[in-house]
Amino acid sequence: DADVTQTPRNRITKTGKRIMLECSQTKGHDRMYWYRQDPGLGLRLIYYSFDVKDINKGEISDGYSVSRQAQAKFSLSLESAIPNQTALYFCATSNPGGPSDQPQHFGDGTRLSIL
Amino acid sequence: SQKIEQNSEALNIQEGKTDTLTCNYTNYSPAYLQWYRQDPGRGPVFLLLIRENEKEKRKERLKVTFDTTLKQSLFHITASQPADSATYLCALPSYGQNFVFGPGTRLSVLP
Repeated sequence: DADVTQTPRNRITKTGKRIMLECSQTKGHDRMYWYRQDPGLGLRLIYYSFDVKDINKGEISDGYSVSRQAQAKFSLSLESAIPNQTALYFCATSNPGGPSDQPQHFGDGTRLSIL
Repeated sequence: SQKIEQNSEALNIQEGKTDTLTCNYTNYSPAYLQWYRQDPGRGPVFLLLIRENEKEKRKERLKVTFDTTLKQSLFHITASQPADSATYLCALPSYGQNFVFGPGTRLSVLP
């Protein structure tokens, strides 16, 4: 079983719809992240959370919101989807127990298409 | 903010050859740098970390160097195999204990 699970894996929806992407992890990590990946632009940070009571905006948070329901669950919402939010979305976790250089562990992504 | 460039979007090499991927950054030199591998339809997977005081780091057929004067890291794959075909990403620490990722280089190893 995957350590970081994202659902759904693929989603096609229409402009203006509200969408929720979900992420759950079994790694026991406190830190969770949401990224989007676009061709030629790499991974860009949307939101991150260092524990259940901590939510922070990343580089491109406009148009998105998040909820940290538990240590193991972090969901990303698009309140009113627009076509330029079409992208590949990744959830990641990391372990703060050691130095800050701990690697990130990624899910396999959600491919989101907004028509 | 930190900006990262990686050499050409795609590279093709013959099986058995050695190739070098580059990662250049523009601003402050970080305390460390990470490299990830990403296969189609999958999330990135961590490969190696190199610290600013380490000139070179090896893992099996992989070798990474880090030159803070040139603001550059080089990623070498020796005796390349078709299974090495993937996109390789470099990542540097950023504000708030987060990371900034490069756009990646897609490597294709041809049999």
